[in-house]
Amino acid sequence: DIQMTQSPSSVSASVGDRVTITCRASQGISSWLAWYQQKPGKAPKLLIYATSTLQSGVPSRFSGSGSGTDFTLAIGSLQPEDFATYYCQQSNSLPLTFGGGTRVEIK
Amino acid sequence: EVQLVQSGADVKKPGEPLIISCKGFGYSFTNYWIGWVRQMPGKGLECMGTIYPGDSDTRYNPSFQGQVTISADKSISTAFLQWNSLQASDTAIYYCARRNYYDVKGRGWYFDLWGRGTLVTVSS
Repeated sequence: DIQMTQSPSSVSASVGDRVTITCRASQGISSWLAWYQQKPGKAPKLLIYATSTLQSGVPSRFSGSGSGTDFTLAIGSLQPEDFATYYCQQSNSLPLTFGGGTRVEIK
Repeated sequence: EVQLVQSGADVKKPGEPLIISCKGFGYSFTNYWIGWVRQMPGKGLECMGTIYPGDSDTRYNPSFQGQVTISADKSISTAFLQWNSLQASDTAIYYCARRNYYDVKGRGWYFDLWGRGTLVTVSS
């Protein structure tokens, strides 16, 4: 299985800050990476797929980049509704695997 | 409305069987793979396996093979996740999700539509 490692596991930030989250794959996954946002008690929500393609309806302050083994999710200007846990997910090979999550907390 | 509607929360005793369901609305249910994703209390997401309702082709995560059964009934646009004998460690929220893909070769899978989740509690 491909292991996905996210860092940091948690980050404290203020409204308006730029936040970046890193996801590293244990082997190359081309550009087959997606990002999800999950708020407490809710199902995950797709933000980005194929590394950098924004899902319909997702604000443009979210962006993704990377290739191979190293990927980044950036939130350009953190908004109150962005405080949540973020997960990466690879789809280069089965089984589909997720990172351990990054919790974005209010400073 | 395009949505996946999951069955309600359930409380079971160890050793009991259970089937939970996921019904699709508003899209062609037979044309998209459905995945089941486990989230144990306070933990991350794990894909248990996927099924193509059109022909019931099923792919299990080896970590879950033999522990659960994934099935579908396309006539009622519903996927199922089944346990023959639950254990306390099966306590979790189980999400179903529609798997979509990025390119014309069908690569770049991602889950674009999620159910609200079914909480399964196993306790004596």
